[in-house]
Amino acid sequence: GEDVEQSLFLSVREGDSSVINCTYTDSSSTYLYWYKQEPGAGLQLLTYIFSNMDMKQDQRLTVLLNKKDKHLSLRIADTQTGDSAIYFCAERRDSSASKIIFGSGTRLSIRP
Amino acid sequence: DSGVTQTPKHLITATGQRVTLRCSPRSGDLSVYWYQQSLDQGLQFLIQYYNGEERAKGNILERFSAQQFPDLHSELNLSSLELGDSALYFCASSPPEGAQYFGPGTRLLVL
Repeated sequence: GEDVEQSLFLSVREGDSSVINCTYTDSSSTYLYWYKQEPGAGLQLLTYIFSNMDMKQDQRLTVLLNKKDKHLSLRIADTQTGDSAIYFCAERRDSSASKIIFGSGTRLSIRP
Repeated sequence: DSGVTQTPKHLITATGQRVTLRCSPRSGDLSVYWYQQSLDQGLQFLIQYYNGEERAKGNILERFSAQQFPDLHSELNLSSLELGDSALYFCASSPPEGAQYFGPGTRLLVL
């Protein structure tokens, strides 16, 4: 299909790791992105990975890319209350009008 | 702070009215994108401008129009407003082949 797919909700305990998953559709996508949206705010670019990489780590964030399965994941280590937000996965698809196609977002909630 | 600015932050208006939303891209970015985010529709791409020219169109209604000026700022005009147009409107900018950086958004409420 055309869509970038994500599950809508994820709940984790504070201090645990969060893993947010995403499947995309275009095997020729060059970049894949993770954005974070806090309540009432715009989308903030968190990290991105180039399609020839399998993994990228940036402090508490780890991005894993499985090109064969077109699967992208974002792992947040030691999840804190400030990580509560909606996380959007996006793929750069040069064949599309907007170039960057966004998933519907995963709402991450943290429980004590 | 992404470097993209949008005004106003909030806008309350009545059905049938017309409003203009403004966006200033990051310094050096030539591309500007407009998105609508509502609770039931997620993030919808509306339109893209590149260096003053319309580059791509998404799900933009005929009642909506946009333009990008020589100084690269952009305006989104929404007319004959309906209740269903209530949403967050985001502007994003990007360098060529780069990621999009989003502004803080304009929250529009149509009563």
